[in-house]
Amino acid sequence: AQTVTQSQPEMSVQEAETVTLSCTYDTSESNYYLFWYKQPPSRQMILVIRQEAYKQQNATENRFSVNFQKAAKSFSLKISDSQLGDTAMYFCAFIPGTYKYIFGTGTRLKVLA
Amino acid sequence: NAGVTQTPKFRILKIGQSMTLQCTQDMNHNYMYWYRQDPGMGLKLIYYSVGAGITDKGEVPNGYNVSRSTTEDFPLRLELAAPSQTSVYFCASRTGGNTEAFFGQGTRLTVV
Repeated sequence: AQTVTQSQPEMSVQEAETVTLSCTYDTSESNYYLFWYKQPPSRQMILVIRQEAYKQQNATENRFSVNFQKAAKSFSLKISDSQLGDTAMYFCAFIPGTYKYIFGTGTRLKVLA
Repeated sequence: NAGVTQTPKFRILKIGQSMTLQCTQDMNHNYMYWYRQDPGMGLKLIYYSVGAGITDKGEVPNGYNVSRSTTEDFPLRLELAAPSQTSVYFCASRTGGNTEAFFGQGTRLTVV
């Protein structure tokens, strides 16, 4: 089965602190793509960061970075210097192979002032 | 550039009624997807399409049908609506490879 698991339904972090959101996945594919999306209350889905499985280097986008552990099938998102605007639902997603785009159940992150 | 457009934005259906959720994209994307998002939950894949004339089932296809007669359009049909289909429905599209998915604004459907 091709699944994505986010084990943290809710998290909170103080403004300017660092938080890490966990994601694990399961696939028998050798090549795949991994993503983190942000969904604010507006319901819009916003791409945060992406990682290709064949690349060993962890992706970074400004304050957002990932810790990709291929052997452990783990893909966590680290948010540094958290801002109030980071408050949102965060979804881990992956493309196992070519076609399907599979999402996890999400982690609701609240940044506290 | 409109991106992915979904209509309607909101709809209330009575049990047993039918309706079609419309989805159009103007980015010439081959891959299109329909998801449902239940309150506080993740996105579950209903159906997807890899090109005009080609569709396939996702994780939760029961109670839904799709068609893809053109590259641009990917309507989702609900037959005999049930309360369990109350959800927010998202349409998305992308090109191939590692590309991100572009999402519509969603349709909030309530079946009463």
